[in-house]
Amino acid sequence: AQSVSQHNHHVILSEAASLELGCNYSYGGTVNLFWYVQYPGQHLQLLLKYFSGDPLVKGIKGFEAEFIKSKFSFNLRKPSVQWSDTAEYFCAVNALWMTTDSWGKLQFGAGTQVVVTP
Amino acid sequence: GAVVSQHPSRVICKSGTSVKIECRSLDFQATTMFWYRQFPKQSLMLMATSNEGSKATYEQGVEKDKFLINHASLTLSTLTVTSAHPEDSSFYICSARSASGGHNEQFFGPGTRLTVL
Repeated sequence: AQSVSQHNHHVILSEAASLELGCNYSYGGTVNLFWYVQYPGQHLQLLLKYFSGDPLVKGIKGFEAEFIKSKFSFNLRKPSVQWSDTAEYFCAVNALWMTTDSWGKLQFGAGTQVVVTP
Repeated sequence: GAVVSQHPSRVICKSGTSVKIECRSLDFQATTMFWYRQFPKQSLMLMATSNEGSKATYEQGVEKDKFLINHASLTLSTLTVTSAHPEDSSFYICSARSASGGHNEQFFGPGTRLTVL
């Protein structure tokens, strides 16, 4: 079955530490890839997305992600986290099957809870 | 731009009653809206895809007669949980996909917390 896997369910790190969250998917073919963030008590916000082109994607708030097609991965990184980055992070994939039924449907990973300590 | 609202943000109801949740795209037209359900500490699970002017497409295992979806206009979709039971208590989130722009991106609403007593 097609799936989206996030390797870490819970990450705790100190301010200024570097963050890398793993995301792997099992779809073949063309995909659109997304990272969303959900701050406590708030709705999902798009951090960044990959549709095509440069596999290194820069998003908001200093985040970036790299699409490695051969590894079916789209890992999220931030060189130096802040306390305000405490949130839940979701990887999502849309497999672009050429049918209208699947156009736009996102499959989410289980999420990674990131806690940044002062 | 690309703001999606949901109403209500929280609702508490008695078992057996029906609850309607609205999802609106405030500054764009949405040909497609999606309804998700999120359990505590878990990911979003797609329930159904709603296209303006046509019947919703439900994911496997989602009861269409229990979760009624209406997408009457390009800016409004509603989810009605009929005869709600405690196991329907959850966080319901909608998203909307723009009718223009050519990009496959969804914009999410803030969610509705449903508690069924």
